[in-house]
Amino acid sequence: EDQVTQSPEALRLQEGESSSLNCSYTVSGLRGLFWYRQDPGKGPEFLFTLYSAGEEKEKERLKATLTKKESFLHITAPKPEDSATYLCAVQMGYTGNQFYFGTGTSLTVIP
Amino acid sequence: DTGVSQDPRHKITKRGQNVTFRCDPISEHNRLYWYRQTLGQGPEFLTYFQNEAQLEKSRLLSDRFSAERPKGSFSTLEIQRTEQGDSAMYLCASSGLAGKETQYFGPGTRLLVL
Repeated sequence: EDQVTQSPEALRLQEGESSSLNCSYTVSGLRGLFWYRQDPGKGPEFLFTLYSAGEEKEKERLKATLTKKESFLHITAPKPEDSATYLCAVQMGYTGNQFYFGTGTSLTVIP
Repeated sequence: DTGVSQDPRHKITKRGQNVTFRCDPISEHNRLYWYRQTLGQGPEFLTYFQNEAQLEKSRLLSDRFSAERPKGSFSTLEIQRTEQGDSAMYLCASSGLAGKETQYFGPGTRLLVL
C-alpha cells in the first residue's frame, strides 16, 4: 500500500541547533515530492519541489534532499520563527493527479 | 493579492444543515484541488478539477459531498446533511499546467458542526 511517513512527529530544538526532518515513502510511480510549512490555523505554504533522486533545493536555513526512498529537510541554525509544522507530500500515479500527505513534523525552536 | 482565496474562513453549523464553501484559485491555474484536514493530520485529498472537469474523486468522499467548478474558474464544495465528523479544515489548492504542478494552498475554511 502506498504510504508517506514523517518522523519525528515532534521536535524541539534550541535556537541555532541544526537538525533534519525525514519523509519516507513507499509509493509506485513517484512523480514529485513537495515540502510545505504550515502555521496553526493556516493553509500550507509551499517550500520545495523535488523530482528526482539526488536533487537538492535550498532556501535560507532550509535544504531539502531526495533519495529513491526518502527525503530530508535539513534546518541549519534554526530561529524561533521557524517553528511550524512541516508537511511532505508525494505526487504519484499515471496521471499525476494523486497527492498524498504525511502527518507532518511539529517543530518548536526555543530561544 | 494573487493567491488562492477561500470563503468563508470559518463556519459553524448545526448537524443536518447544508454548507457551501467557495474557492478562488490563482487566475492562471487550470487545476484545482480540495482537501480536508483534521487536527494532527496531513491534508487528505477529496477531489480534483482540470478546468471545469472533475477528473478524480476520493473513495472517501461520501455522496453528501459535491463539488463544482463552473466555467473552470472558482469552485464550490457543498456538504449536505452535515455530521459532527465533518468538522475539519477544508483546504483548496491550485496549480498550473503540467510540468509545473506545485500546488498553492488557500487559507482554508474551518467547519465546526455542532
